[in-house]
Amino acid sequence: GQNIDQPTEMTATEGAIVQINCTYQTSGFNGLFWYQQHAGEAPTFLSYNVLDGLEEKGRFSSFLSRSKGYSYLLLKELQMKDSASYLCAVSNGDYKLSFGAGTTVTVRA
Amino acid sequence: IAGITQAPTSQILAAGRRMTLRCTQDMRHNAMYWYRQDLGLGLRLIHYSNTAGTTGKGEVPDGYSVSRANTDDFPLTLASAVPSQTSVYFCASSSTSGSTDTQYFGPGTRLTVL
Repeated sequence: GQNIDQPTEMTATEGAIVQINCTYQTSGFNGLFWYQQHAGEAPTFLSYNVLDGLEEKGRFSSFLSRSKGYSYLLLKELQMKDSASYLCAVSNGDYKLSFGAGTTVTVRA
Repeated sequence: IAGITQAPTSQILAAGRRMTLRCTQDMRHNAMYWYRQDLGLGLRLIHYSNTAGTTGKGEVPDGYSVSRANTDDFPLTLASAVPSQTSVYFCASSSTSGSTDTQYFGPGTRLTVL
């Protein structure tokens, strides 16, 4: 089976840094994706990790440790527009995505 | 380029009625997917198609059927809707069904079954 855990909610202040953790136990592993989803909208791709380490893309970074079944998404210099849900998704042995329930991030002024 | 379009945007449906949700992509992607998103459960895969002419079952396929007659269209049919099928439905596509291929999502259809 697939088990992907991430916190339900996080709140942070504009300009701050927030780290969203994701732990997973899946049947097979072919990479981990992070998606952003604003309320009432479609998920949009943020990052993909398949090897251990940190991938940096502007204000967003994503880290993966395959041995620990662990990833995090780091959001720096938070802006109000970053208020959204962040979805962790694992590509399993069948190359299908299994999603976590999502973490709702609220950025306060 | 529109990407992925879905229709209708929202629908209220009486239980027992048949309903087809439409999905069209113009990116010439081989793989397409249908997900449902429910509060607290995240996105769950209903059915998928790796290429035109083939389909497969996802995590929650019961009560749903799909077809893939061509590359662009991937309709999802509820033969006899039940209230537990109230959800937001997202169609997605990717270039191939490989692990590194990003899935792109349509805007979603909000379905309420009464």
